[in-house]
Amino acid sequence: DSGVTQTPKHLITATGQRVTLRCSPRSGDLSVYWYQQSLDQGLQFLIQYYNGEERAKGNILERFSAQQFPDLHSELNLSSLELGDSALYFCASSPRQGVTGELFFGEGSRLTVL
Amino acid sequence: AQKITQTQPGMFVQEKEAVTLDCTYDTSDPSYGLFWYKQPSSGEMIFLIYQGSYDQQNATEGRYSLNFQKARKSANLVISASQLGDSAMYFCAMRGPYSGAGSYQLTFGKGTKLSVIP
Repeated sequence: DSGVTQTPKHLITATGQRVTLRCSPRSGDLSVYWYQQSLDQGLQFLIQYYNGEERAKGNILERFSAQQFPDLHSELNLSSLELGDSALYFCASSPRQGVTGELFFGEGSRLTVL
Repeated sequence: AQKITQTQPGMFVQEKEAVTLDCTYDTSDPSYGLFWYKQPSSGEMIFLIYQGSYDQQNATEGRYSLNFQKARKSANLVISASQLGDSAMYFCAMRGPYSGAGSYQLTFGKGTKLSVIP
């Protein structure tokens, strides 16, 4: 158990809908990262937050948005969903002053868009 | 830009044998870190081993060792005495770029699916 909690574990929805994925980082970790894993694209970095502020942005679509709240949990919002958004979405956290840069991953939220 | 390449989409190994999973990387940064993660069929990403670019010795963690060849830009994972539970996807990743306050993004390779045969 990495200590990173993601909900829901599975989600099935229809095209055009909006969903919210939730992540609680490890106790004491200030950084939260979101990754998308799909069969054709592999693991793609989406966005990172540090102590409530956006710190880095990767290949995140404009239909997607995220935020980190004062209690450090984070939410990833996916809107106007398309079939191609079906993927496993990971949240990860890292220590405040990490030495190696290791990320601790949650178990992921598997999104299926029908 | 950083790049991680895993050229083996799938590998088979006999139980109790050793196996090497290949990873090559490209970066212009003199300081970098390399990771291996395991993803079983259940989906979670499990950290296995880390190698820093300035580390003098190859990293080892139990049955996992990292064959780090800096000049060749390779960081192969060696699993000794394979077990059935080692069947999983294995991802090589590189640290960077730096996001401040000790945090980094990780760039991942496409992964290698390892199947351990009884």
